[in-house]
Amino acid sequence: DIQMTQSPSTLSASIGDRVTITCRASQSISSWLAWYQQKPGKAPKVLIYKASSLESGVSSRFSGSGSGTEFTLAISSLQPDDFATYYCQQYDSHPRTFGQGTKVEIK
Amino acid sequence: EVQLVESGGGLVQPGGSLRLSCEASGFTFSSHEMNWVRQAPGKGLEWVSDISGIGDTVYYADSVKGRFTISRDNAKNSLYLQMNSLRAEDTAVYYCARGKYASGSSTDYWGQGTLVTVSS
Repeated sequence: DIQMTQSPSTLSASIGDRVTITCRASQSISSWLAWYQQKPGKAPKVLIYKASSLESGVSSRFSGSGSGTEFTLAISSLQPDDFATYYCQQYDSHPRTFGQGTKVEIK
Repeated sequence: EVQLVESGGGLVQPGGSLRLSCEASGFTFSSHEMNWVRQAPGKGLEWVSDISGIGDTVYYADSVKGRFTISRDNAKNSLYLQMNSLRAEDTAVYYCARGKYASGSSTDYWGQGTLVTVSS
């Protein structure tokens, strides 16, 4: 199985900050990676697919990059609505696996 | 508008069974693979199973293989998860999620989830 490791686990940031979250795969997954945002009590929302493609309707403040085993989600200017938990998921092979999550908190 | 509505969750004793349903609307159901993803209380996301658009290919997480069965009825625009031999560690919110394509894709729409509690 492909292991997905996110860092950091928790991130404290201020409104307007640029933040980055890293996701590492235990083996190459090409660009078959998605990023999700989840708020408490809500279903996850897809932000990015195929490592860098922005899902329809998602703010352009979000961007994804990387390929192979290392990937990054960036938020260009953190807004109040962005405080949430973020997950990466590989869909290169089965079983699909998620990272453990990164919680973005208000500093 | 794409909508996914899960149902069938509830309280069940260890060793019991439950069948989850996900009713889909707003898109051509058979053109999309479908997934079940769960989240235990206070924990992260865990992919459970997926099924191709025409239902000919299914996959399971090792943690549920042999106990859970995914299926779909494209005539009824519905996805199912039959869960047998339930364990305490199966307690979670179960989400159905649409794949972008008929197979091998990321997800794009998710339901609101249904809570399954396994406890005596």
